[in-house]
Amino acid sequence: SAVISQKPSRDICQRGTSLTIQCQVDSQVTMMFWYRQQPGQSLTLIATANQGSEATYESGFVIDKFPISRPNLTFSTLTVSNMSPEDSSIYLCSVEDGQGSEKLFFGSGTQLSVL
Amino acid sequence: GIQVEQSPPDLILQEGANSTLRCNFSDSVNNLQWFHQNPWGQLINLFYIPSGTKQNGRLSATTVATERYSLLYISSSQTTDSGVYFCAVARNSGYSTLTFGKGTMLLVSP
Repeated sequence: SAVISQKPSRDICQRGTSLTIQCQVDSQVTMMFWYRQQPGQSLTLIATANQGSEATYESGFVIDKFPISRPNLTFSTLTVSNMSPEDSSIYLCSVEDGQGSEKLFFGSGTQLSVL
Repeated sequence: GIQVEQSPPDLILQEGANSTLRCNFSDSVNNLQWFHQNPWGQLINLFYIPSGTKQNGRLSATTVATERYSLLYISSSQTTDSGVYFCAVARNSGYSTLTFGKGTMLLVSP
C-alpha cells in the first residue's frame, strides 16, 4: 500500500490568512484526492487532482477558496484561502492503491483550527 | 446522489464481545470500502469489498450487492478497536468518487 506523508499535522491560524497543506506519496499515482472532515462529521470530497491538469472540484467547493497544485505524480498541495472559523476541520489527502485495486489510502490528516 | 446509511450510530461494548455494523446504500455499487478511524484521526482501510465475503483476523465483511447492504463483523473486540467505522461506496469502478456514510462510533471498554 502507498505511504502518504501529509504536513502540517495540525495548525492554528488566524481568520483571513491562508494555509497550504502538502501531501507526498512514496509512489507515482494518477489521481490524488482531497477530503474535508468537519468536527464530528463524515468525510466530504473537496476535489480530485490529476497531474498536468486542473483539479476537478465537487459541488460546494471552488478553486478560489481551495486552490490545488499537482506538479508531479507524487506530490500535491491544497491551500485553504482566506480562512474563517467555519474552515476548522481535518483535511485529508488520499490515493488509490496502485496495484490494480481501488482501495483508498489516507494520509494522517491536517487538523486545522481557525480563530 | 447515492445515499449511505450506517447503523448503529453508536455502540459500546465490553472487551471480548462481538459486534455487527451495517451499511445500507441506495443504488447499485461497484466499489465499497470499510474504514476505521482511530481516536487519533488516522483512517485505515479495512476492506475493499464490492461483493462477497472477506476476512482479516478478527474482522470480516460481507457485501450483498443485490440487496444493497454490507456488514462488518468484529469478533472478540479489543480496546484498540475503538474509533469510528466508515462505509464508503461508489457506483462505478474505475474513476469514481466515494460517498461516505456518517459512520458508527465504537467504544470498547476494558
